[in-house]
Amino acid sequence: GAVVSQHPSWVICKSGTSVKIECRSLDFQATTMFWYRQFPKQSLMLMATSNEGSKATYEQGVEKDKFLINHASLTLSTLTVTSAHPEDSSFYICSAGEGTANQPQHFGDGTRLSIL
Amino acid sequence: GENVEQHPSTLSVQEGDSAVIKCTYSDSASNYFPWYKQELGKRPQLIIDIRSNVGEKKDQRIAVTLNKTAKHFSLHITETQPEDSAVYFCAASIGTGGFKTIFGAGTRLFVKA
Repeated sequence: GAVVSQHPSWVICKSGTSVKIECRSLDFQATTMFWYRQFPKQSLMLMATSNEGSKATYEQGVEKDKFLINHASLTLSTLTVTSAHPEDSSFYICSAGEGTANQPQHFGDGTRLSIL
Repeated sequence: GENVEQHPSTLSVQEGDSAVIKCTYSDSASNYFPWYKQELGKRPQLIIDIRSNVGEKKDQRIAVTLNKTAKHFSLHITETQPEDSAVYFCAASIGTGGFKTIFGAGTRLFVKA
């Protein structure tokens, strides 16, 4: 089945650091990938839609300058949390579909980000 | 935009009993409704899905129903087992404009042995 790989799984860093998270589709091409943020005991909040070869589409309230998304190839999307602060600490998770509508999203394992 | 509401937020059942989780969605253009199970600290796993041209789908102990007119869909788990304990999320997806998926708030299911 379709596999999405996400790295790193855990990051602890100092305030002010920028952190890059990678999301790869291993056995399929993903024109579109999605980035979610999940706080403890809460739902997955869609942050942005990552489009291969074009700019990401951000959801309302998500700062595009804070959360930089790059989708340089059909198998890789990256999320960079710039100048991270403690309030950015969260579980970030990506997903990708197999190219057509009405198909399930396949999720990465998520990245737990802790900013000290 | 799409809004998905999910109830209950917490559900506790005795092993062997049935569990029902209900969701409503707001955008009538939504046409794909997956259900995910998420264990603590892990990725959501798809357990069943239903498309808008179908009213009901079953896979062993799990079934999902969809009422397009009322914009309701439900997950039914029969003969629950302790390993069914997890958080369950419903979701609605619109098949145009990138088919983004909006999730409900989640239901924490406890199955007591």
